[in-house]
Amino acid sequence: EAGVTQSPTHLIKTRGQQATLRCSPISGHTSVYWYQQALGLGLQFLLWYDEGEERNRGNFPPRFSGRQFPNYSSELNVNALELEDSALYLCASSLRGGTIYEQYFGPGTRLTVT
Amino acid sequence: KQEVTQIPAALSVPEGENLVLNCSFTDSAIYNLQWFRQDPGKGLTSLLLIQSSQREQTSGRLNASLDKSSGRSTLYIAASQPGDSATYLCAVNNNAGNMLTFGGGTRLMVKP
Repeated sequence: EAGVTQSPTHLIKTRGQQATLRCSPISGHTSVYWYQQALGLGLQFLLWYDEGEERNRGNFPPRFSGRQFPNYSSELNVNALELEDSALYLCASSLRGGTIYEQYFGPGTRLTVT
Repeated sequence: KQEVTQIPAALSVPEGENLVLNCSFTDSAIYNLQWFRQDPGKGLTSLLLIQSSQREQTSGRLNASLDKSSGRSTLYIAASQPGDSATYLCAVNNNAGNMLTFGGGTRLMVKP
């Protein structure tokens, strides 16, 4: 069974540009989560999507946004990129949206903003 | 606000040793706790999930325990191997928003 997949693996952008990151959950999973792992800041929760709706949002500015498609894949958009947005962005999925379900993580997208 | 702390931040042991990694959290009203492994520059591999009603979970050489009342969890690794070298992260889920709050991790090095 394929795990969570993310694309691209690496992304290099300049300050002010927009970045789009993509995630495909494990087959059958309906919930998708996004986390940011920036150097020195640890892993921080960004967004949670379930059944096409945004269910929860972490403490990030509105220029971080996303969506979930009917096939449960998800996209994270970061507008007006800043240098501090450079980080590893991790996507996770779970079978359903309940708290009893384990979150499985993908390999991440390394975003570098220059 | 939930805070998760992992001690020690780094640990180096010889191959074959049994070891314990510690995780503490400030808000005991959690739904579950997960232990993850992260290799350098890679994503997270889920190791164990303990629901709030459980005391421990086991998978192979790994055993995780949970004491909600004291806000602590431990990950026990038996007969460590060089392949166990990685960063180990614990994360707690304590709201219906399904947000995992992570500790800073313990960087483990197992020497041959």
